[in-house]
This record gives sequence, structure tokens and C-alpha cells, in this order.
Amino acid sequence: GAGVSQSPSNKVTEKGKDVELRCDPISGHTALYWYRQSLGQGLEFLIYFQGNSAPDKSGLPSDRFSAERTGGSVSTLTIQRTQQEDSAVYLCASSLGTGPYEQYFGPGTRLTVT
Amino acid sequence: QKEVEQDPGPLSVPEGAIVSLNCTYSNSAFQYFMWYRQYSRKGPELLMYTYSSGNKEDGRFTAQVDKSSKYISLFIRDSQPSDSATYLCAMSAETGGFKTIFGAGTRLFVKA
Repeated sequence: GAGVSQSPSNKVTEKGKDVELRCDPISGHTALYWYRQSLGQGLEFLIYFQGNSAPDKSGLPSDRFSAERTGGSVSTLTIQRTQQEDSAVYLCASSLGTGPYEQYFGPGTRLTVT
Repeated sequence: QKEVEQDPGPLSVPEGAIVSLNCTYSNSAFQYFMWYRQYSRKGPELLMYTYSSGNKEDGRFTAQVDKSSKYISLFIRDSQPSDSATYLCAMSAETGGFKTIFGAGTRLFVKA
């Protein structure tokens, strides 16, 4: 079946602009995660959605970052007033639910803020 | 101090060598230990999964967990150029709601 897809694959934006990154999880996966990956920094947790529960937003670095998940499926990560330090690869993952389940990752969106 | 420490490398080895990748951690509650492999410009994919202490073998790959030392390892035997990738350790605990904490990843190059 289809894996996790993300769009766009690359995004170049000017400092101060808003960007939206999209994630389509695997069908039937109730858990969805967003991570940020910078060179040499590993995966930084941003936000986690599980079913209809309130999302865990504890990893969002500032109030410029927000995310939503509509209909328990597609998710959008929005970064407002982008800064150069926001440049990174943004990865989305989905899994069967809460628990020690494998996370399936998308290919990521490479964001460059100029 | 980070919860999970992993040397980012890079690590360069000749084809056929045995590779040892390691992570240390500070949270004794971690129960689930994973290794993900990430090829360039791709998302990570699960390679090995271990619960609690002990060894697990899958083909050329062996994962070891030593909870007393808070130390995990991934061994790759007969390494191949196709093993060239970044390897990320990851771990989680039920007490933490299974929130997965990733290491920084070690870049591995296997030279033909």
C-alpha cells in the first residue's frame, strides 16, 4: 500500500513569509508525528496527534509553529513569519496508535529560508 | 545533557568490515529500543526493534541492549556499500506515553 507522503518535497521561502507543509499518513494509522531534522541534530519532536485526543504540542519551538489534523487523516504544519533558523527537513511519521509501534516516515520537506 | 547521546561520525569502513554503532542514554525508564536507517534524502525506516535487555539478530544485523550500563549497540557484519546511510537509535517508555526520543544519528560510509 501507499506509504506516508509529504508535500512539497522542497520549499524555498523568504524570511518573514508563512509556509504550509502537508502530510498524508498511511490509511488506518491513528497516530501522526511531526519532527524537524537539522544537520547533526537528530530528529527533534514537534507535535503528536492521536485519534481525537488533544495533540501533544510540547515540542513546538515557538508560537510561530502550529499544526492541525483534519478528519483524523491529513495534517498541515504551518510556520508563520519564517526565520532562517527554521531551515531544516521537516519529517512526518504515522503509526498504528499509541504504543511501541513502528513509525513510518515520509520523505520529508526540505525547507530553506533565505 | 541530552537524553540520548550518539556520536554523529562520520564513520568510514572498508567493505566487509564489522561495524559497531552505539548510543548511551540517561533515562532508566526506557524499555523499547530501536534502530532506524536513513538513506540520503529519504525518511528513516525501522531496522531493528528490541524490548528491554538482551540481543536480537536479523541477518547481518545484531542489536544489543545493556540496561545496567544504559548502552545500546548495533553491529553490522560483512558490511556492504549499500549499508552506507545514517543510523539513528531511538527509545521510548510506557511511562513517557511511548514518546520516542531519537539520537542524532551516525553517518556510516562503507567503501567498496
